[in-house]
Amino acid sequence: EPEVTQTPSHQVTQMGQEVILRCVPISNHLYFYWYRQILGQKVEFLVSFYNNEISEKSEIFDDQFSVERPDGSNFTLKIRSTKLEDSAMYFCASVLTGQYNEQFFGPGTRLTVL
Amino acid sequence: DQQVKQNSPSLSVQEGRISILNCDYTNSMFDYFLWYKKYPAEGPTFLISISSIKDKNEDGRFTVFLNKSAKHLSLHIVPSQPGDSAVYFCAAPGKGNQFYFGTGTSLTVIP
Repeated sequence: EPEVTQTPSHQVTQMGQEVILRCVPISNHLYFYWYRQILGQKVEFLVSFYNNEISEKSEIFDDQFSVERPDGSNFTLKIRSTKLEDSAMYFCASVLTGQYNEQFFGPGTRLTVL
Repeated sequence: DQQVKQNSPSLSVQEGRISILNCDYTNSMFDYFLWYKKYPAEGPTFLISISSIKDKNEDGRFTVFLNKSAKHLSLHIVPSQPGDSAVYFCAAPGKGNQFYFGTGTSLTVIP
């Protein structure tokens, strides 16, 4: 069964460093998403991506964040200068098409900023 | 801006009994709802959904009920099994198909 994969599973970084979180969505899916979940809190939408551009982004997704689909299979989230409060689980998701399809989530990357 | 709310952070149920997980929403424009299940160290996995044109959708042991006038939905699991122990999130798609998630309810099914 096709699945969304994410690497690494756990990333530890120093405050102020750049991190890149990687995702491989399901191959025929067209919409891609990043969410995050701070420990003990709800899953929060960060950004959606379609047709090689951002379609929606939340207030959390400020200038420190960027997304890219560099090669048609990978979907990356870059945090330019990490802050302590960026520590969270980051989930990538993809959906085939349309609003009424469930999103398939990856297993997440745990980001720890020290 | 909590558009989807789950007011019970945890629930414990005896194996074989019914589990009822509740969810409320504030945005009357939502017309589709999903329940996701999440195990530790894994991403959320889709469980069941319901469109606002229905008030009930059933899939095996899982049934979702929607009360649009009350802006309330619930997930019933009957009979509950120990493998159902997980965190359950309700979600609704908004603009750009971003999902608004509730804060989750941690279900423990006691053998």
